[in-house]
Amino acid sequence: EIVLTQSPTTTAASPGEKVTITCLASSSVSNMYWYQQKSGASPKLLIYSTSSLASGVPDRFSGSGSGTSYSLTINTMEAEDAATYYCQQWSSNPLTFGSGTKLEIK
Amino acid sequence: QVTLKESGPGILQPSQTLSLTCSFSGFSLSTYGMCVGWIRQSSGKGLEWLANIWWNDDKYYNPSLKNRLTISKDTSNNQAFLKITNMDTADTATYYCARGHNSGFDYWGQGVMVTVSS
Repeated sequence: EIVLTQSPTTTAASPGEKVTITCLASSSVSNMYWYQQKSGASPKLLIYSTSSLASGVPDRFSGSGSGTSYSLTINTMEAEDAATYYCQQWSSNPLTFGSGTKLEIK
Repeated sequence: QVTLKESGPGILQPSQTLSLTCSFSGFSLSTYGMCVGWIRQSSGKGLEWLANIWWNDDKYYNPSLKNRLTISKDTSNNQAFLKITNMDTADTATYYCARGHNSGFDYWGQGVMVTVSS
């Protein structure tokens, strides 16, 4: 099983600030997916195939990485971005998620 | 417009079998490359993938649940199903179904809360 380790576990950012969340895989994966989950809501796909923006996602979100190291970046933090973010790999079964990064607004 | 909605018993007793239904619209599970997945989330915890069923009836399961899972589909009625046997209090969670393909799980249901309690 590929274990995905996210960091930080919790962070806070001021409006306009740049935020980067990292996801390290225990083995190489071909792609990474990122989801946003707001309190009481279902997860929402943000990024697929490492760097492609899902439909309707603001372009302040971006993804990058390869092999065992991936990241999600929010270029300019907005209040509505306060949520928990999860990475996920599809490269091998079982499909796994990271443990999440809680992002709060300062 | 793609929508998915989970339904289930809400509460059940330990050792019982959980039967969940995912009713969806806006896509077909007979379309090449399409799948429906089940993912659960315990209160305040992270996401745990359970199983996927694909357009060609391929099925994949999380081995951590040790043969307790059975996923199936009814393509003509746009439904997918998940059964989990021998439920335990540790299986108390919100259960989601989601549409998946090579671009990730792009649509999710609202989730159904399942409580296991004697």
